[in-house]
Amino acid sequence: GAVVSQHPSRVICKSGTSVKIECRSLDFQATTMFWYRQFPKQSLMLMATSNEGSKATYEQGVEKDKFLINHASLTLSTLTVTSAHPEDSSFYICSAILTNTGELFFGEGSRLTVL
Amino acid sequence: QQQVKQSPQSLIVQKGGISIINCAYENTAFDYFPWYQQFPGKGPALLIAIRPDVSEKKEGRFTISFNKSAKQFSLHIMDSQPGDSATYFCAAGGTGGFKTIFGAGTRLFVKA
Repeated sequence: GAVVSQHPSRVICKSGTSVKIECRSLDFQATTMFWYRQFPKQSLMLMATSNEGSKATYEQGVEKDKFLINHASLTLSTLTVTSAHPEDSSFYICSAILTNTGELFFGEGSRLTVL
Repeated sequence: QQQVKQSPQSLIVQKGGISIINCAYENTAFDYFPWYQQFPGKGPALLIAIRPDVSEKKEGRFTISFNKSAKQFSLHIMDSQPGDSATYFCAAGGTGGFKTIFGAGTRLFVKA
């Protein structure tokens, strides 16, 4: 299957700082990528859809100014958590879709801890 | 119309037994039904997937059964092993511009 790489896998930051997480499709071009947040023992919560060359589409209740998404190329989407607070601590996962088949492939996830 | 209902929430199976997880969807426009396996601290990994033109797909110990008329599909893990202990998510999506919708997940524990 297709490979999606996510970096960093773990990050610890101080409250008030910003953190950037990268999501790369390694062996295919991804026009569309997705960002999820996952709380312990829960399912994936879609945060936003990242579209190459255009603005991201955010799900209801997700703060656009808090979670900045940039999809600058067909292989890279980034999620920046701005002015992070302890309540932003979570597991963030990206995915990329093969548009012609609908197959969805996930990154390894990034564990964010805000002190 | 966009929900995917998954059951059971948790499952304990003896080593060598059969694990069965069920899902039901509502939107008949979905045309891609994958199952993902997730270990703690890792992203979900695609396990097996099926499209509505077939009723069953088998890959090794993993089988998907698909019932289009009932809008249900299930994952069967034969000869379950302790290494299969993980959380399993079913999903529904496709090529029609739909967002992939995930079930709530099933935590499987296989006892040695």
